[in-house]
Amino acid sequence: GAVVSQHPSWVICKSGTSVKIECRSLDFQATTMFWYRQFPKQSLMLMATSNEGSKATYEQGVEKDKFLINHASLTLSTLTVTSAHPEDSSFYLCSALQNGGSASGGPEETQYFGPGTRLLVL
Amino acid sequence: KNQVEQSPQSLIILEGKNCTLQCNYTVSPFSNLRWYKQDTGRGPVSLTIMTFSENTKSNGRYTATLDADTKQSSLHITASQLSDSASYICVVSDRGSTLGRLYFGRGTQLTVWP
Repeated sequence: GAVVSQHPSWVICKSGTSVKIECRSLDFQATTMFWYRQFPKQSLMLMATSNEGSKATYEQGVEKDKFLINHASLTLSTLTVTSAHPEDSSFYLCSALQNGGSASGGPEETQYFGPGTRLLVL
Repeated sequence: KNQVEQSPQSLIILEGKNCTLQCNYTVSPFSNLRWYKQDTGRGPVSLTIMTFSENTKSNGRYTATLDADTKQSSLHITASQLSDSASYICVVSDRGSTLGRLYFGRGTQLTVWP
């Protein structure tokens, strides 16, 4: 299957600093990537949809100035948590939609998740 | 309101035993239903995808069923192994835009004991 990587896998930072998380599709092109946040024992919550070459679409309640998303190439999207605070501590996941696929339709899986990044803000 | 509810919240079984996880949804319109396996601290991995017309789909020891009329799905795991210990997430997608939208359940945490 297709492979999506995330870097770093875990990060600890001081409150007030910014943290950048990278999401890469290693063996396929992805015009669209998704960023999720997952708190312990909770379901994945979609934060934003990242589109190559255009602005990201944020879900209601997600601050776009705090969670900066850049999708500069067909294989890389980055999420920057600006001025991080302890309440931003969470497990951040990305997924990449294989070009030609649909996240919602069809019988074949075309959306692949990264391994996640655990962020701890002290 | 589009929701996906899973039960039980957690489950402990002995190695070699079978188990069944449940998923009820209210998502409409409906496109497909997926079951994912998520190991602790890892990203979800797709197990099965079923569209409206499919009633059952197998992937090795995993068998998913779908009743689109009652909006229920189940994931049956046969001859469980220690490596099956994980969270199993039911995800339903709608038929909105071309990208659609995914609705995630909270998952069932399965623990397999030796």
